[in-house]
Amino acid sequence: KAGVTQTPRYLIKTRGQQVTLSCSPISGHRSVSWYQQTPGQGLQFLFEYFSETQRNKGNFPGRFSGRQFSNSRSEMNVSTLELGDSALYLCASSPGGGAANTEAFFGQGTRLTVV
Amino acid sequence: EDQVTQSPEALRLQEGESSSLNCSYTVSGLRGLFWYRQDPGKGPEFLFTLYSAGEEKEKERLKATLTKKESFLHITAPKPEDSATYLCAVQAQTGANNLFFGTGTRLTVIP
Repeated sequence: KAGVTQTPRYLIKTRGQQVTLSCSPISGHRSVSWYQQTPGQGLQFLFEYFSETQRNKGNFPGRFSGRQFSNSRSEMNVSTLELGDSALYLCASSPGGGAANTEAFFGQGTRLTVV
Repeated sequence: EDQVTQSPEALRLQEGESSSLNCSYTVSGLRGLFWYRQDPGKGPEFLFTLYSAGEEKEKERLKATLTKKESFLHITAPKPEDSATYLCAVQAQTGANNLFFGTGTRLTVIP
């Protein structure tokens, strides 16, 4: 069974640019969550998508957005990049929908560096 | 507000020296408590989910336990390959699937 796939693995962008990251969840999983991981703040929740709808959102500015497609694949976008957006962005896949099994499985992440 | 505190921040053990990592939590109705292992530059690897006080789960040299206020990850006779950062996270009974993470315990096992 294939795991969670995130692309690209590494990105270098310039301040002011925008970036789009992609996540393909485990087959059959309908919930995709995004997290930002930095050395100072640890893992912080960005947002969750379930059945193409944003179900929950963390405390991040509107420059961070996302979407989910009908095949459950998800993308997140960061506009007007700032140096502080440099981080490891992680995607987590889970069955969702109130399933008893709520384990979340993470991808390898996208390392974003803003210069 | 949900809160997760992990201790110690870092732990160095000799190979074979057993120990425990602590995760104290405050959450408005616990749906699940999760343990993950994370190696440098990689995504967290799922280890366990615990749902109710008194529950225990084991996997190889690891055993996770849960009370109403904290969880312990016991490591028995660790090996160098157990070196990693261990993350604890809670999920509240809000219907959403987001996890609230602690800052982790960085474990180093010395041969």
